[in-house]
Amino acid sequence: SYELTQPLSVSVALGQTATITCAGNNIGRKDVHWYQQKPGQAPILVIYRDSDRPSGIPERFSGSNSWNTATLVISSAQAGDEADYYCHVWDTNTVVFGGGTKLTVL
Amino acid sequence: EVQLVESGGGLVERGGSLRLSCAAPGFTFSVYWMHWVRQAPGKGLVWVSSINGDGSSTRYADSVEGRFTISRDNAKNSLHLQMNSLRVEDTAVYYCVRQDNSGWDEFDFWGQGTLVTVSS
Repeated sequence: SYELTQPLSVSVALGQTATITCAGNNIGRKDVHWYQQKPGQAPILVIYRDSDRPSGIPERFSGSNSWNTATLVISSAQAGDEADYYCHVWDTNTVVFGGGTKLTVL
Repeated sequence: EVQLVESGGGLVERGGSLRLSCAAPGFTFSVYWMHWVRQAPGKGLVWVSSINGDGSSTRYADSVEGRFTISRDNAKNSLHLQMNSLRVEDTAVYYCVRQDNSGWDEFDFWGQGTLVTVSS
């Protein structure tokens, strides 16, 4: 079965840039979606199709996808960005989530 | 306004059954694939099951195949998950999730979830 690997945690200083990776075999050939989940809340979509932002998501959130790694970038990180982030792809009609990355804003 | 409101969670003994429901007002429910995704306490997101717009196609994670049944009632804008032979490891928050239908396959709306606790 297809697997997605994310770092367990990432830390970023307030106002700096955070990078969260999602590794998978030839993931560059798939569409990657990213979700943000704050404690006690449901996930929300922050990036779809590798790099598109839904309405209402700040431009500080961006994404890319190439070869074996997809990346979520959060520029000028704010305290409110502290959350768990999950990547998501489809593989042969099956939904696959990464294990999630906890982003801490210092 | 899109809304997904889950109900039916609760405490059940191992081996028991539970039926989750998701009310989905505010959009044309019948044209969307819908999913159940669960999250065990302190753990990550895990896909459980999917159903297409008219209910003719369903899919299940291996861990629930044969025990869970997904269904929908488009006349009532509702999604259901019948869970039988429940195991302790089924304990989780269960989210009702809508899949975008504009050409991509992201999950664009999530409900707030309903907690299922299976006791041993």
